[in-house]
Amino acid sequence: NSKVIQTPRYLVKGQGQKAKMRCIPEKGHPVVFWYQQNKNNEFKFLINFQNQEVLQQIDMTEKRFSAECPSNSPCSLEIQSSEAGDSALYLCASSWDWGVSGAETLYFGSGTRLTVL
Amino acid sequence: TQTVSQSDAHVTVFEGDSVELRCNYSYGGSIYLSWYIQHHGRGLQFLLKYYSGNPVVQGVNGFEAEFSKSDSSFHLRKASVHWSDSAVYFCAVSAIYAQGLTFGLGTRVSVFP
Repeated sequence: NSKVIQTPRYLVKGQGQKAKMRCIPEKGHPVVFWYQQNKNNEFKFLINFQNQEVLQQIDMTEKRFSAECPSNSPCSLEIQSSEAGDSALYLCASSWDWGVSGAETLYFGSGTRLTVL
Repeated sequence: TQTVSQSDAHVTVFEGDSVELRCNYSYGGSIYLSWYIQHHGRGLQFLLKYYSGNPVVQGVNGFEAEFSKSDSSFHLRKASVHWSDSAVYFCAVSAIYAQGLTFGLGTRVSVFP
């Protein structure tokens, strides 16, 4: 069973509201990923971190999405102004490494299901 | 850019039957393949991964997968399914400098008693 802890399990927001979700990676894992899984099972990579530093991220040109992994605190993903299209399962995953090879295994949490009304 | 194709959206089997889930990928360079399972309402659980070496890899709960470079495939198999194997199975690929894993659209497996 995964030891990646995501809270809350469910999040319901109105359009325009902020939505914030958190993730505690598996102990000892310095790398954290965020993915968005929509109802059609399409996965969208959002961002990943190694310790507190961003490794890779998509072009969040709308700037509605922000994420951080502060030291000694849970990682978080926040949507500043939720839209209906943001309704999805947000998955956090952690790993020992995500170096050049890309060969490390990702361990996922149970996700936060966001519904934007 | 790597892509993943899972040809079967839904597979129905009976308990004790064997099952094979198909996964094909496209990418010109070195690639790493894995399978994940997602039970209803849950996150993804890692099943197995091919990195190098023996093309047949063993995973948890009796699952195995075979990598074929010539066919660009990484099919998942189980000899005898259990009702608890009912879930959605995702094939995933990654490559050097990839932005994480690229997933297929999944195959839903329904196991009937």
